[in-house]
Amino acid sequence: DQQVKQNSPSLSVQEGRISILNCDYTNSMFDYFLWYKKYPAEGPTFLISISSIKDKNEDGRFTVFLNKSAKHLSLHIVPSQPGDSAVYFCAANTNAGKSTFGDGTTLTVKP
Amino acid sequence: DSGVTQTPKHLITATGQRVTLRCSPRSGDLSVYWYQQSLDQGLQFLIQYYNGEERAKGNILERFSAQQFPDLHSELNLSSLELGDSALYFCASSVDPSGGNTGELFFGEGSRLTVL
Repeated sequence: DQQVKQNSPSLSVQEGRISILNCDYTNSMFDYFLWYKKYPAEGPTFLISISSIKDKNEDGRFTVFLNKSAKHLSLHIVPSQPGDSAVYFCAANTNAGKSTFGDGTTLTVKP
Repeated sequence: DSGVTQTPKHLITATGQRVTLRCSPRSGDLSVYWYQQSLDQGLQFLIQYYNGEERAKGNILERFSAQQFPDLHSELNLSSLELGDSALYFCASSVDPSGGNTGELFFGEGSRLTVL
């Protein structure tokens, strides 16, 4: 049973437009959500997070939205840049001590 | 540079063999996590150690074991290797002052294991 799902394996957008990456979860015990970015031959790096008591968190061009009732979160990148091309992982945490990751979405930003 | 060091970066071995992957966490981080990424798949949680003690366990096979040493470095031992064990193995660390997990993980660059 996959508790964190990223249903779109890939996404392609034009430079300057908005990129929206989606993530769904099933476990109501998740109370903290994170997005990581991964370039080839590198480990994932933290991008932005949100606590379950919030519905939005913004950091520059990156905004994460959380809809608890729908068990859905999304990452918005505006404006998208070619350097944003990477694999994006959604992760969800509980106090039990581990992060559960989705399978990732490969974002390609075309110049 | 995340501050997490993993060795070796690449490893090629044969079925039935045993290998050890090593991880040095960021300075000051007490928690170490191991994840497996098979081809084009997500990060599968294997195991977490906090200050030398096992804290959480995921879908780690019985052929795999790990430990965290007093200097906080960790080793992941993979034995009786099978072709399906070929994957990227990531180590991550976090501060976790309370032993909980609300903060981000800092990942190493991974160890790519190829079993022939």
